[in-house]
Amino acid sequence: QVHLVQSGAEVKKPGDSVKVSCKTSGYRFTMFYMHWVRQAPGQGLEWMGVLNPGGGATVYAQKFQGRVTMTRDTSTSTAYMELSSLTSDDTAVYFCARGKEVATIAPFDYWGQGTLVTVSS
Amino acid sequence: DIQMTQSPSSLSASVGDRVTITCRASQSISNHLNWYQQKPGRAPELLIYAASSLQSAVPSRFTGSGAGTDFTLTISSLQPEDFVTYYCQQSHSTPGTFGQGTKVEIK
Repeated sequence: QVHLVQSGAEVKKPGDSVKVSCKTSGYRFTMFYMHWVRQAPGQGLEWMGVLNPGGGATVYAQKFQGRVTMTRDTSTSTAYMELSSLTSDDTAVYFCARGKEVATIAPFDYWGQGTLVTVSS
Repeated sequence: DIQMTQSPSSLSASVGDRVTITCRASQSISNHLNWYQQKPGRAPELLIYAASSLQSAVPSRFTGSGAGTDFTLTISSLQPEDFVTYYCQQSHSTPGTFGQGTKVEIK
């Protein structure tokens, strides 16, 4: 059975960085792209970018270029998303989501449980 | 970026009703349209992909249709667990933009 388990909630100050992990199991980690999506409180869903766990290549949404870094550890089947220069606008739940197809953008068939990141001084 | 516009933003219905939610893309996206259901405090779940393909284990009361710029999600007979929020998403090009959501409420 496919599982994506994310790291716990974080509280950060403006200007800090946060790194969220997404540990996977139940499938071959390197065969499916991993996407990151965030949701501000009471708001809709926003795609941040995608990681190819096989080779490590990434594509980021222009909005987050220069602030986001997506990486992976194939030995533990874990994907990571690091966001820097945090502001209060980055307060959100961050989800990892597996792409159903091997493509830069695809439907997301499995999701992590979400990680709440709160940015507050 | 491709803009996705969902309507309505909310609707009230009763158990057993048939409801339709619409999603319009700002340019043609072929059939690269997906629908998700999100329950409060939970991650979204994929219902429909490629406009009309039912994701595994999703009840058959959910159907999707459309192509190009106009798409619909239909729930044939609302069940109590269906009174939650629905999102469309285009997977035609990055960024994979979502609609703003439709909240289905009990009348």
